[in-house]
Order: sequence, then C-alpha cells, then structure tokens
Amino acid sequence: AQKITQTQPGMFVQEKEAVTLDCTYDTSDQSYGLFWYKQPSSGEMIFLIYQGSYDEQNATEGRYSLNFQKARKSANLVISASQLGDSAMYFCAMREGPNFGNEKLTFGTGTRLTIIP
Amino acid sequence: SQTIHQWPATLVQPVGSPLSLECTVEGTSNPNLYWYRQAAGRGLQLLFYSVGIGQISSEVPQNLSASRPQDRQFILSSKKLLLSDSGFYLCAWRDLMTGSSYEQYFGPGTRLTVT
Repeated sequence: AQKITQTQPGMFVQEKEAVTLDCTYDTSDQSYGLFWYKQPSSGEMIFLIYQGSYDEQNATEGRYSLNFQKARKSANLVISASQLGDSAMYFCAMREGPNFGNEKLTFGTGTRLTIIP
Repeated sequence: SQTIHQWPATLVQPVGSPLSLECTVEGTSNPNLYWYRQAAGRGLQLLFYSVGIGQISSEVPQNLSASRPQDRQFILSSKKLLLSDSGFYLCAWRDLMTGSSYEQYFGPGTRLTVT
C-alpha cells in the first residue's frame, strides 16, 4: 500500500477562494509526523506546515492550516484566500517514528494547484 | 540565517560518464544532510542521509554514492551514469540544535539529464 496518497493530480481554483488539498497516509507507528511542501516551477521545495501525531490542535501557519483527522489517517492542507502565487505543486510527506533517529520522509506524488485570476 | 547551496544548477552528461554534485550549508553546525531525487512528474525519493562527517546511510541501492567530507558539505557521486539517473536532485538539511527541528529545508536543486 502507498504510504502517502494524494488523489488530486491537478486542481483549478478561483483566486481568493479557499482550497483543500487531500492527503491520506498509512502507518502502524503511533509516533509520526506529517509535512506539506510547496514546489513552484523553479523547483525548490518550500516547507509549509508540520503536524505531529500527538499534537491535539490542528497546525496553522498564516494562510495554511492542516486538517488532521487521525482516525481517518488524513492530513489535508487548507489554503485560505488563495493567491496567484499559490500556483505550484504541493507535496504531502510523512516521517514514521519519533522525530529523532528517523530521517526518512516519504512523499506523495503531489497535486498541481493552479489559481485562476 | 541558514542557506543551502547546490551546484551545478543544470547538467547534461553522457551515459557512462562520472558525476559529482555538491551541496553546502551555511549558518548552522552539525546539520543532518539529505540527498533526494525527483523523477519527472513524481514525488521525492530519499537517496542518502548523513547525521555527521563520514556517516552515510543509503536508502536505495544503485550506482550512486554519497560522501560528507566536511560538516556542512555533502557530495553525490557516480562512477558511471545510467539513463535512469536523469532527474532533479535536491539536497536538504535539518537542524537538530534549535527548538523547531522537525522539518527539512531544501536547496535549489540540480537538474541532471543523462543522454
């Protein structure tokens, strides 16, 4: 089974609307971390937001929030008030195991988000 | 502030030729360092990581190797490139010394085309 599944290969969203990018994960570990990265056309991976498996609150960073539903094993990224500069590939990633000593991030295949003016 | 550099930015190499990609990090000490590869239209695949000088862990057996000769320098090499080595190579670092140490930060990447 895929460790990280992103079912939306591409999305088109009107500027200023909110957008939700889906991510489901599969792990048997109790301790794990979930990440979202943005990759613009330049190629650089930009860290957006992190959610730990034991965090009780959903993570938020500015316009980004992570809708963490542990029982459903989903970690959807919500971008509020989308902007043209949000157009990019978005990757969900997971670290299995505690934060220290576990170095491998497993990435999903990504979602290409296009913001329409 | 921390900065990560990669070079070259782009590279076109014939099959069977050697490879050396370099990554350096500034503004931090004893970072964890990582090499990832991204095939066209795909997610990232971890190739190697290092938790210290001379300490290399390989995630995927292949014709690539990595070395860490200095604390903030990470090198990806190959003796003979294959066509399947084409891709976008990203170096990343993680700082275990500061409070927020969960995320990895990525460099600008090297786009390698093997012909």
